[in-house]
Amino acid sequence: NAGVMQNPRHLVRRRGQEARLRCSPMKGHSHVYWYRQLPEEGLKFMVYLQKENIIDESGMPKERFSAEFPKEGPSILRIQQVVRGDSAAYFCASSPATYGYTFGSGTRLTVV
Amino acid sequence: QQQVKQSPQSLIVQKGGISIINCAYENTAFDYFPWYQQFPGKGPALLIAIRPDVSEKKEGRFTISFNKSAKQFSLHIMDSQPGDSATYFCAASSEANFGNEKLTFGTGTRLTIIP
Repeated sequence: NAGVMQNPRHLVRRRGQEARLRCSPMKGHSHVYWYRQLPEEGLKFMVYLQKENIIDESGMPKERFSAEFPKEGPSILRIQQVVRGDSAAYFCASSPATYGYTFGSGTRLTVV
Repeated sequence: QQQVKQSPQSLIVQKGGISIINCAYENTAFDYFPWYQQFPGKGPALLIAIRPDVSEKKEGRFTISFNKSAKQFSLHIMDSQPGDSATYFCAASSEANFGNEKLTFGTGTRLTIIP
């Protein structure tokens, strides 16, 4: 079991470009969570998805951010028209639907 | 009401000593309290977790103490080792979210163990 795989590990985007972050959950896990970690801060919940469904997006900024978890393939967090304030580490976690999920190693987004 | 407050922000402990990190919460619906360990460049890893039906849980050198009435919980690392140097996060969640395990994290404690 390869664990939760996130790619890319590092992503550099110019202001105004789009960022796509991918997360492949652990085998057998059907629940995916996305968190954002700003420098020197704790993780903040963004969105919780199950296959083909967004269950809770209460932590997602209202504009420019979207997430999906299709029937086939990885979960995608998409940030349109990135701004400097979007620079952060984005972590994905997957769960088999019982407590205690596993985090990936994150994608570090830098907006220049 | 959703906050989890963590202290101290940073902590330096001598090798072999006891490291203590404290957290306090406000939301009485929280009923699952994990601690995560994070090394630079890595994702958080679950260290130990507790539910409010017990006041203490021990796993090896790591102990969680839980005070339900005070809405506080703490992590104790006994015989601290240089390999324990990392950032530690407390977190909380509520089973009342009907399967939604979203966590509210504290702001983290950077622990350094010195020889």
